[in-house]
Amino acid sequence: EAQVTQNPRYLITVTGKKLTVTCSQNMNHEYMSWYRQDPGLGLRQIYYSMNVEVTDKGDVPEGYKVSRKEKRNFPLILESPSPNQTSLYFCASGRDRGLDGYTFGSGTRLTVV
Amino acid sequence: KNEVEQSPQNLTAQEGEFITINCSYSVGISALHWLQQHPGGGIVSLFMLSSGKKKHGRLIATINIQEKHSSLHITASHPRDSAVYICAARTSGSRLTFGEGTQLTVNP
Repeated sequence: EAQVTQNPRYLITVTGKKLTVTCSQNMNHEYMSWYRQDPGLGLRQIYYSMNVEVTDKGDVPEGYKVSRKEKRNFPLILESPSPNQTSLYFCASGRDRGLDGYTFGSGTRLTVV
Repeated sequence: KNEVEQSPQNLTAQEGEFITINCSYSVGISALHWLQQHPGGGIVSLFMLSSGKKKHGRLIATINIQEKHSSLHITASHPRDSAVYICAARTSGSRLTFGEGTQLTVNP
């Protein structure tokens, strides 16, 4: 089944403890991206990648890192999480910048206390 | 002013009604996407538009590049259409900027 897999689905962590949210797709998509969704602010793009070793900042990249060493994986790294990074995170992938639309992961609900 | 604005924010309809959700954007775009977010939180791509009109089942999406405006129409609405509908403008370099979403509730 074609899918984007995010892990974990839920995570509660403490301020400053490094964490990684994984994202993997099995569709050989070139494009992958991370978003956060907050009440009243909607979805906002964090980082995106057009292909292996190519990443670019979205609208809210501060406090996040990404890497794209393999085509299928696009992990989101929070080096020192803070409470304002408490949010619902989505990963998505698409063929050639989303010509056919995007496939979204199920989301990761992160709480930083 | 947000770069992408949707209206209305909330919409309640009776089953069978024709529904229109609007999206206006103020930036240059390479494409406009419509997404559906289910009550459980999952997000599905509905349409990608760069010009004209697309149709899938009871859903129709249109875009007017000159007026920087797109609409999503649902014909013969059904309670299972209840969801949040989100438009997203794809700008240079494949950045995506989202509208705040329209919460649609269709009552039986």
